Amino acid sequence: DGGITQSPKYLFRKEGQNVTLSCEQNLNHDAMYWYRQDPGQGLRLIYYSQIVNDFQKGDIAEGYSVSREKKESFPLTVTSAQKNPTAFYLCASSIRGASSDTQYFGPGTRLTVL
Amino acid sequence: DAKTTQPPSMDCAEGRAANLPCNHSTISGNEYVYWYRQIHSQGPQYIIHGLKNNETNEMASLIITEDRKSSTLILPHATLRDTAVYYCIVRVGTKTQGGSEKLVFGKGTKLTVNP
Repeated sequence: DGGITQSPKYLFRKEGQNVTLSCEQNLNHDAMYWYRQDPGQGLRLIYYSQIVNDFQKGDIAEGYSVSREKKESFPLTVTSAQKNPTAFYLCASSIRGASSDTQYFGPGTRLTVL
Repeated sequence: DAKTTQPPSMDCAEGRAANLPCNHSTISGNEYVYWYRQIHSQGPQYIIHGLKNNETNEMASLIITEDRKSSTLILPHATLRDTAVYYCIVRVGTKTQGGSEKLVFGKGTKLTVNP
């Protein structure tokens, strides 16, 4: 069963702690993305990666870090430097070079910092 | 910033067709129109996309006007499970065409399907 998985679905952390959100895909997609969504708002791009061992900052990368050691995995770390980390985090992937480059999303992780 | 304009909300009766409009008057020749929907607390779900021609798949139909400045997503027989926020997005198809890596979601249209 192909798709994108994110875990956990809900995550609670104390202020000042780093936390890592998991994103895995078995679609054999080259490109992966992390977005953040706040209540009533659209998605904002945090980081993206088009190939293993390479990634680029999106619009709101400050306070976040990523790694892309494997094609299937693109974990996102929310650091203590992120001033307002409570949000819904969405991971997506797409086939690199496809004529339409459709992005497919995972189910999301809702992070609450107490 | 989103390059599309959508009504904030719409209602539809169960079993009837839901027609969701989208204006994209500044669309360029190499930009696709994408539709996604998001059910509360879930990830966005891809529905359909098109460039110039009308498109149909198992979920919906996409009607694009001849001048490409607007489009309509049609859910032919809406069900209660179609209640969601629907997003219309325009973007260039590939990076080699100057495409952007990100999807720019606006506020979308909240569709409520009523029994």
